Amino acid sequence: EIVLTQSPATLSLSPGERATLSCRASQNIRNYLAWYQQKPGQAPRLLIYHTSNRATGIPARFSGGGSGRDFTLTISSLEPEDFAVYYCQQRSDWPSFTFGPGTRVDL
Amino acid sequence: QVQLQESGPGLIKPSQTLSLTCTVSGGSISNGAFYWSWIRQHPVKGLEWIGYIYYSGDTYYNPSLKSRVAISVDTSKNQFSLRLTSVTAADTAVYFCAYGSPYYFDFWGPGTLVTVSS
Repeated sequence: EIVLTQSPATLSLSPGERATLSCRASQNIRNYLAWYQQKPGQAPRLLIYHTSNRATGIPARFSGGGSGRDFTLTISSLEPEDFAVYYCQQRSDWPSFTFGPGTRVDL
Repeated sequence: QVQLQESGPGLIKPSQTLSLTCTVSGGSISNGAFYWSWIRQHPVKGLEWIGYIYYSGDTYYNPSLKSRVAISVDTSKNQFSLRLTSVTAADTAVYFCAYGSPYYFDFWGPGTLVTVSS
């Protein structure tokens, strides 16, 4: 099973600041990586798929990058509604999917 | 946009079978565009993909749960369902249904908490 590790566990920032979240895979997952945002009491929401493609309706301040084993999610300028938990997810060893443990972006 | 809603018992006893249904509205489960998934979120273990089904009935399961899981689809009711047998406290989680491509989960239902306790 491919294991995803996310860092940092918690990121403490202020509105307007830039957030950079990391996701590392235990083996090469090519570009088969997605990012989700989850707010308390809500379901996860797809932000980015296939490493760098924004999902429908996702603002341009969210961007994804990377390849192979190392990936990043960048929020260029944090808005108040962006404080949440972010998960990465891989599907390289289809049909098995795994998620990372999450990064909490806090005020 | 296609909406999802999970339903089923919130409390079941150990060794029983967990049964949940996801009702799809705003679109047809039979249009062939999506795969229909079950995913759960443990308080400590995090997010875990359980399996998914295509409208044709083709199913794919997480190998770690495969011996206990069955996902089925009822196109006439626009629903798909999850059965998980021989539950233990470790199966206590929020269960989500979701749809998407074969690779990612585009949209999720709000989730339903299932507690396994005697």
